[in-house]
Amino acid sequence: AQSVSQHNHHVILSEAASLELGCNYSYGGTVNLFWYVQYPGQHLQLLLKYFSGDPLVKGIKGFEAEFIKSKFSFNLRKPSVQWSDTAEYFCAVRTAGGYNKLIFGAGTRLAVHP
Amino acid sequence: GAVVSQHPSRVICKSGTSVKIECRSLDFQATTMFWYRQFPKQSLMLMATSNEGSKATYEQGVEKDKFLINHASLTLSTLTVTSAHPEDSSFYICSARKALAGETGELFFGEGSRLTVL
Repeated sequence: AQSVSQHNHHVILSEAASLELGCNYSYGGTVNLFWYVQYPGQHLQLLLKYFSGDPLVKGIKGFEAEFIKSKFSFNLRKPSVQWSDTAEYFCAVRTAGGYNKLIFGAGTRLAVHP
Repeated sequence: GAVVSQHPSRVICKSGTSVKIECRSLDFQATTMFWYRQFPKQSLMLMATSNEGSKATYEQGVEKDKFLINHASLTLSTLTVTSAHPEDSSFYICSARKALAGETGELFFGEGSRLTVL
């Protein structure tokens, strides 16, 4: 069965620090990859996605993620975090022919201190 | 925008009662809605796929008689937890895909509904 693993459950950073959240998935075929963010008290919303093409994907709010097929990874990065980035981040995978069924990782809770 | 709203956001009920949770797409039509369940510190687990006008498709291990899903219109899907027990306490989240968006269309999520069964 497909699975998604997020390495860090909690991350605490100071403002301006760089961020990298790990995401690995287990599936040998074609995948679509997503990062979602959930700000406190708000809905899940799409941060960025990868379907094909350039493996370095840029999303909203200065986030980017790199798909490394050989490592089955899709890590999320931001060069300089802000207090407003405090949120929970979910990596998700959809397998080819998966009819838009998303398999989510457990989430990483990011706290950014001023 | 594309807003999905769930109601109620929190519900507390007694063991043995049934609880209905609504998921509405407020400004778009959704032919497909998905219901997820999230346990504390765990990932969202897909429970079922709800298609307007047809029976829901349940994931393996999800009891369809326990979790009744109805998608009677293009803007509303309901999840009814029947004869709820404390182990059904969880956070339930729905998502919706716009009609005509195709299978790769973006999903929009509701704010979730926290069910506590006493």
